[in-house]
Amino acid sequence: DGGITQSPKYLFRKEGQNVTLSCEQNLNHDAMYWYRQDPGQGLRLIYYSQIVNDFQKGDIAEGYSVSREKKESFPLTVTSAQKNPTAFYLCASSRLAGAGSDEQFFGPGTRLTVL
Amino acid sequence: GQNIDQPTEMTATEGAIVQINCTYQTSGFNGLFWYQQHAGEAPTFLSYNVLDGLEEKGRFSSFLSRSKGYSYLLLKELQMKDSASYLCAVIDSNYQLIWGAGTKLIIKP
Repeated sequence: DGGITQSPKYLFRKEGQNVTLSCEQNLNHDAMYWYRQDPGQGLRLIYYSQIVNDFQKGDIAEGYSVSREKKESFPLTVTSAQKNPTAFYLCASSRLAGAGSDEQFFGPGTRLTVL
Repeated sequence: GQNIDQPTEMTATEGAIVQINCTYQTSGFNGLFWYQQHAGEAPTFLSYNVLDGLEEKGRFSSFLSRSKGYSYLLLKELQMKDSASYLCAVIDSNYQLIWGAGTKLIIKP
């Protein structure tokens, strides 16, 4: 079955530690996205990538980093510079970036709690 | 700035009809999505509108008026499983997706 996987579903880290969230898709989609969702708020774009070895900052990129070495994978690192990292993180992909009606498909999300 | 407004929460009765509104002010418009999100889960695609009018898909319909910057999602024959948040998202002139905060829909028996 095609889809997007994120692991783990729940993640706990101590303050000051970097942590990497994985995102893998086998949909052969060109574009991939990372969002953060906080209670009562809409999805906020952290980073996106339209093609391998290229990515762009979204609205709230500070304290985060990404890589896109393979088409299927788009890992997100939450660094110690992120002031409030506890949140629900969603990875998404779409067939073509900037293609208008191409819907985004979402992974199941990772809930990160920093203690 | 870019802005999408949706009611924070709505309550409806099982078997009834509910309309969830979305108004937007964005830099350009290239389409509007509605997604459903159950608590703690990923959003799932419901509908896409780019031209004015009503798109019907089973119990769910979505309407768009570009001149008014307005859309609504209509849910008929409500079922308990329809209890979820409904997210409105607009594609702006840069083909970026701008998300509303979502409307939490509570269905009562």
